[in-house]
Amino acid sequence: QVQLEESGPGLVKPSETLSLTCSVSGGSISSYFWTWIRQPPGKGLEWIGYVYYTGSTKYKPSLKSRVTMLVDTSSNQFSLKLNSVTATDTAVYYCARAQGEGYFDAFDIWGRGTLVTVSS
Amino acid sequence: QSVLTQPPSASGTPGQRVTISCSGASSNIGRNTVNWYQQLPGTAPRLLISNNYQRPSGVPDRFSGSKSGTSASLAISGLQSEDEADYYCAAWDDGLNGSYVFGTGTKVTVL
Repeated sequence: QVQLEESGPGLVKPSETLSLTCSVSGGSISSYFWTWIRQPPGKGLEWIGYVYYTGSTKYKPSLKSRVTMLVDTSSNQFSLKLNSVTATDTAVYYCARAQGEGYFDAFDIWGRGTLVTVSS
Repeated sequence: QSVLTQPPSASGTPGQRVTISCSGASSNIGRNTVNWYQQLPGTAPRLLISNNYQRPSGVPDRFSGSKSGTSASLAISGLQSEDEADYYCAAWDDGLNGSYVFGTGTKVTVL
């Protein structure tokens, strides 16, 4: 079965760039949309954006100026970069798969999440 | 701030039926399908309902979803202790260049 695992630094300094990678195992990254969601401590879920296996992207408008998502089909991974971070970017970051093949749909597979803290 | 509004909490005793509402607008629930996610304490969210009412494999049939106009609902029949969790509705929003939006979340407590 397909599994996802987030990896990256757990601590990022203010004004620097948060970088995370999601590794896909047990299946191909092709034909699906891949997404990032975050959850500040004690708060609700926030969608950040998606990247299609072709490389096309869609970001939440309020984060668009700071977000870059890439996909690497050769290594079955996709990534998130969020620049100019502040303390409000502190959150658990999840990667997930949209279940529809070729279309954006509900998120049926999730990673376990990784906590990223923004602090000097 | 979320554009999908849910009650912050709901509760019931084992065996009871609990319903969670999700209020949206014409730009989201009014024209797109609704998904529901369950988040048990300390874990990642799990897809509970997709496309308004469809249950993925492995989701018990005591969970059901519905949609009418710009609102949606999740019902839990025969509430069990393991259903104590946070529940989020979600949908695509066609406004402001498009975005996927989550509801504010509802904490379900089993008394």
